Amino acid sequence: KAGVTQTPRYLIKTRGQQVTLSCSPISGHRSVSWYQQTPGQGLQFLFEYFSETQRNKGNFPGRFSGRQFSNSRSEMNVSTLELGDSALYLCASSSALPGGEQYFGPGTRLTVT
Amino acid sequence: GENVEQHPSTLSVQEGDSAVIKCTYSDSASNYFPWYKQELGKRPQLIIDIRSNVGEKKDQRIAVTLNKTAKHFSLHITETQPEDSAVYFCAASIGGQNFVFGPGTRLSVLP
Repeated sequence: KAGVTQTPRYLIKTRGQQVTLSCSPISGHRSVSWYQQTPGQGLQFLFEYFSETQRNKGNFPGRFSGRQFSNSRSEMNVSTLELGDSALYLCASSSALPGGEQYFGPGTRLTVT
Repeated sequence: GENVEQHPSTLSVQEGDSAVIKCTYSDSASNYFPWYKQELGKRPQLIIDIRSNVGEKKDQRIAVTLNKTAKHFSLHITETQPEDSAVYFCAASIGGQNFVFGPGTRLSVLP
């Protein structure tokens, strides 16, 4: 099976712009979670989508949003970018069975200037 | 909500020695505890996990133990090798949802 894929891998944006990141889960996985990884804050949970519905949400401002399509692919959008949004954004997919293993994609490195 | 603490934040061991990383969690409802290894510039990789109905699990040189009463779980790596050098993250989850990660441990295996 192919692993979790994310596009683009690298992105440079300017403050105030918006950005959309994409994640394709492992075939058959219906749950996609998004994380922000920064050197100082570790892995911070953004939100999780399951069957096109947001099932869980972390403590991030409303500028961070996401969605999931019927084929389980997910997108994450960040509006009005701030310098502090520079980070590695990781998505992870799981089968969503109780205790199902979660596997990460390679991440998108976002730099906001 | 769930809170996961992880210690130590950095760990240096000699090649061939053992390494132990400990995590504590706060929510007694958590029942799934994975460990991830992240090498520099790479994605976190699931290396071992344990569920709350098991006290210990082993996979070659890696083992994880869980103490539900004390709400802590530990990663044990024996006969460490230079390729074990990485950042290790523990996480706690309820039913495979709402993963909360520890802050990570940077392990250095010295030759």
